[in-house]
Amino acid sequence: EDQVTQSPEALRLQEGESSSLNCSYTVSGLRGLFWYRQDPGKGPEFLFTLYSAGEEKEKERLKATLTKKESFLHITAPKPEDSATYLCAVQAVGGTASKLTFGTGTRLQVTL
Amino acid sequence: NAGVTQTPKFQVLKTGQSMTLQCAQDMNHEYMSWYRQDPGMGLRLIHYSVGAGITDQGEVPNGYNVSRSTTEDFPLRLLSAAPSQTSVYFCASSWTGHTNYGYTFGSGTRLTVV
Repeated sequence: EDQVTQSPEALRLQEGESSSLNCSYTVSGLRGLFWYRQDPGKGPEFLFTLYSAGEEKEKERLKATLTKKESFLHITAPKPEDSATYLCAVQAVGGTASKLTFGTGTRLQVTL
Repeated sequence: NAGVTQTPKFQVLKTGQSMTLQCAQDMNHEYMSWYRQDPGMGLRLIHYSVGAGITDQGEVPNGYNVSRSTTEDFPLRLLSAAPSQTSVYFCASSWTGHTNYGYTFGSGTRLTVV
């Protein structure tokens, strides 16, 4: 069974204090690993898709990396507007068409 | 371009009542799905559809029905509401099931069953 574990559950940073969020996964065959951002009362918003170990993608202050067992979301010099819950999900090769298995998320708070 | 629209945003039901959660998208996406989100648990797939007239069960389908008569709409029906169905429900869509660009999610329906 596919599994996704995210850590930490919650993270509080000061503005400008860089850090990383972790997503550990087990999947029969990885088709893709997805990162989403979710604001309170909103639906998840797509950030990145990663497909193979060693791949990296960047968007503004966020950089996602992938190994065979985990993915990291690096946040460089965060701002208060980066406060949100960050969700990681995996999609397996084959199986139920496009089912995503989600982790429970990391709740990030960035303070001034 | 509205994206994925879900209605209602909030709903309170009594145990045993039935209702339909509406989901509509205007992006001509073939793939649509319903997830529920509960505290301490990841989003879980309820039902999905890979095109008009085609639906299938996800991870937690019991107590829910779906149909897909048009590309745009994918309603979720609760047949006889139970307190265990108290949750936030999200509809999502994409061009295909195996998308490179993730899914577009609606803003959710918060359902309370009393």
